[in-house]
Formats: sequence, structure tokens, C-alpha cells
Amino acid sequence: NAGVTQTPKFQVLKTGQSMTLQCAQDMNHNSMYWYRQDPGMGLRLIYYSASEGTTDKGEVPNGYNVSRLNKREFSLRLESAAPSQTSVYFCASSELGTNTEAFFGQGTRLTVV
Amino acid sequence: GENVEQHPSTLSVQEGDSAVIKCTYSDSASNYFPWYKQELGKRPQLIIDIRSNVGEKKDQRIAVTLNKTAKHFSLHITETQPEDSAVYFCAAISPETTDSWGKLQFGAGTQVVVTP
Repeated sequence: NAGVTQTPKFQVLKTGQSMTLQCAQDMNHNSMYWYRQDPGMGLRLIYYSASEGTTDKGEVPNGYNVSRLNKREFSLRLESAAPSQTSVYFCASSELGTNTEAFFGQGTRLTVV
Repeated sequence: GENVEQHPSTLSVQEGDSAVIKCTYSDSASNYFPWYKQELGKRPQLIIDIRSNVGEKKDQRIAVTLNKTAKHFSLHITETQPEDSAVYFCAAISPETTDSWGKLQFGAGTQVVVTP
């Protein structure tokens, strides 16, 4: 099994450019998440989707949008990138209930110049 | 919503000693508390978890304790080894009956350094 797959792995953007980070999971999980990781800040939740068809804001949603395209895919869009969005982005998925382990993608290192 | 605080932010221990990381949470409805380990340049991975109906859980050199009354939980690593060096994150999640169901909220992380 591939688990959680994120693309791209690295990206450099100019300020004001837009891009979409893709995430797909093959574990039939209902819940999916987008986090950003900055030094000393831990994993901060941007958006999450508890089930297909629903999305909710996390603690740092400003500047981002998400789409839960289907059960497998959850994308994160930056409409107008800013240097403050330079970070490592992780997608994760889990099955809430009896087995709640969250599985992470390999991360996307995004630099906005 | 849930707020998870984690201490200390860095922890240096001698090989063979024990390491303890503490977390507190704010939402009394939270019922699942996982711990993740992230090695340098890698993705976070689950190492142990505990549910609210259990006070302690052990897996070889790793143990987690939960105090629901005080709303805190701790990770204990005994006989530390150099390969235990990593960032450790605690997390909490609320059950389906709450507004924040599904929101997996992490602490800020603890950088553990084990020196030989």
C-alpha cells in the first residue's frame, strides 16, 4: 500500500503566485488533514475533513482553501502565496473510531520568495 | 476548541537515563491521546496511544499515563538510546459527539537529544 501520497515534494513560488498541493490516501479513511510545520511551532492544523463532503477550519486557515474531492483526495490551495507561508506541509489521514492512528504523507517543502 | 500544551520544548538526556514529556489538554471531552515521533527530515509516526478509559499503557521502553481529572498525559521513555533522538508530539482528539469531532490537535513538540 502507498498510504498517504503528497505532491509535489518541493516547490518554490514567487509572492502572489498560486498553487495546489495534492494529497491522496488509499486506506479508505474518512478523515483527512492538512498541517504546516514551522521550527518551534509544531504541527499546526490548517484545515481538516472529518468525512467526505465536509471541511472545517483548523487553527491557521487564513490564506488557504481546501477541497475534499472524494474520499481519497484532499487538496490544499494557496491562492496568492506570501513569504509567511514558507513551511513544510503535511497531509494526514485517519479513521476515527476504534483505530484512530493518523498516517502522514512525506511532506511538501514550500518556499515563497 | 481543544488546546494542547507540551513541555519541555527541548530535553537532553544521557544514554540509559529516562525521559519524560508532559502534555495538558483543555477539552474535557477529548478521549484519544496519541504520541508521534518525528525523526529529522521524516514524517511523524505513531509510537503509542491511550484512550480515556485507560490510565496507563506500556510498550517495551515506552509508557504513557493519563490523568483525566487533571487533563494531562505524559510520555515516559526508559533506558534511552541514541536512536530515541527525535521530536516527539502529543495530540488529542474529541469524540463524535462534540463540535470539534475529528480535529486532531497537536502539541508544539519536544526535541529529545540522547547523548552517548
